[in-house]
Amino acid sequence: AQSVSQHNHHVILSEAASLELGCNYSYGGTVNLFWYVQYPGQHLQLLLKYFSGDPLVKGIKGFEAEFIKSKFSFNLRKPSVQWSDTAEYFCAVNAVGSQGNLIFGKGTKLSVKP
Amino acid sequence: DAGITQSPRHKVTETGTPVTLRCHQTENHRYMYWYRQDPGHGLRLIHYSYGVKDTDKGEVSDGYSVSRSKTEDFLLTLESATSSQTSVYFCAIRLAGGSNEQFFGPGTRLTVL
Repeated sequence: AQSVSQHNHHVILSEAASLELGCNYSYGGTVNLFWYVQYPGQHLQLLLKYFSGDPLVKGIKGFEAEFIKSKFSFNLRKPSVQWSDTAEYFCAVNAVGSQGNLIFGKGTKLSVKP
Repeated sequence: DAGITQSPRHKVTETGTPVTLRCHQTENHRYMYWYRQDPGHGLRLIHYSYGVKDTDKGEVSDGYSVSRSKTEDFLLTLESATSSQTSVYFCAIRLAGGSNEQFFGPGTRLTVL
């Protein structure tokens, strides 16, 4: 069965620090990969996605992620975080050819100190 | 937000009572999903639908049923609510095309006392 692992439960950073959130998945076939963000009290919003082509994907608000197929990883990065990036971040994977169902990681809570 | 609304947005109910949550979309998407979100568990799929009257179970379907009698509405029913079903419930739609990305509704916070 597919699974997604997010290594960090809670990350605390100061403003302007660099961010990298880990995501690994278990599935041997072709995948689509996603990062979603959930700001406090809100619903999930798509941050970025990978489904083919360039493995370095750029999303909204200065976020990017790199798909490394050999490592089954899709880590999220941002060079300089802001207080407004405080949120919970979810990695998700979809097996191509399945019903399109997403498997989510358990989430990483990011707290940015001003 | 892909035209997704959920109702009610908040509900408090008692153990043993039936509860129905509604997801409504305005853009004719074929696929719709119900998830629950719990601390430490992320989002888990309850049921999904791939067309009118076509539904299937997800990872945590026990205690839940769904119905989709028209494209725009996807209903989630707890036949007899239990305290373990206290959660935030999100509906989602899937865009047509190759990437399978999903867009989420605003959520319903359900408390079962």
